[in-house]
Amino acid sequence: GESVGLHLPTLSVQEGDNSIINCAYSNSASDYFIWYKQESGKGPQFIIDIRSNMDKRQGQRVTVLLNKTVKHLSLQIAATQPGDSAVYFCAESREGTSYGKLTFGQGTILTVHP
Amino acid sequence: GAVVSQHPSWVICKSGTSVKIECRSLDFQATTMFWYRQFPKQSLMLMATSNEGSKATYEQGVEKDKFLINHASLTLSTLTVTSAHPEDSSFYICSARFRARETQYFGPGTRLLVL
Repeated sequence: GESVGLHLPTLSVQEGDNSIINCAYSNSASDYFIWYKQESGKGPQFIIDIRSNMDKRQGQRVTVLLNKTVKHLSLQIAATQPGDSAVYFCAESREGTSYGKLTFGQGTILTVHP
Repeated sequence: GAVVSQHPSWVICKSGTSVKIECRSLDFQATTMFWYRQFPKQSLMLMATSNEGSKATYEQGVEKDKFLINHASLTLSTLTVTSAHPEDSSFYICSARFRARETQYFGPGTRLLVL
């Protein structure tokens, strides 16, 4: 069935390095994608989003890339800091989904070592 | 960004009792609110979609009589876990959205422990 999944469940990086978190989706009709950060015991925090009419969007220290050809989404974090350690989820919705319901991926645990 | 609050943040109850969780959008009017459940080391699972003034839409496998949802106003939705059992112990998270296709903003979550 439809799903949004991640290639890697865990990612460990050194402070100051760049991090790349990947996400694959299976439904070509998906047209809106969001990355969320979830720290332990807290609700997900919005990071950045992108619509299917774009292939790249940048925020503060973060960049999201969308490759519709291979149905792949990535989140790049520049100069990763210990405070970036968390679980990162991608989520997608698609035109016609009732009320913009989101489907979440499984999550990637990012650990940043000082 | 938009602020969504939940109350309580923690609740411990005895099996068989009912628990109410509130979700509030503090700085915007939420036409739609969503309720999720998250088990340890797992992703978020959508339970139901709630629109102000109408009945909630439940996901397949979610018992509507057990998880009562009320969206009484554009800033408040409540989830009541009725006759709670230990297997209902989980992290319950709500989200709110201003209008169709806009970003969902999440609350801090409510951890429920049923003894």
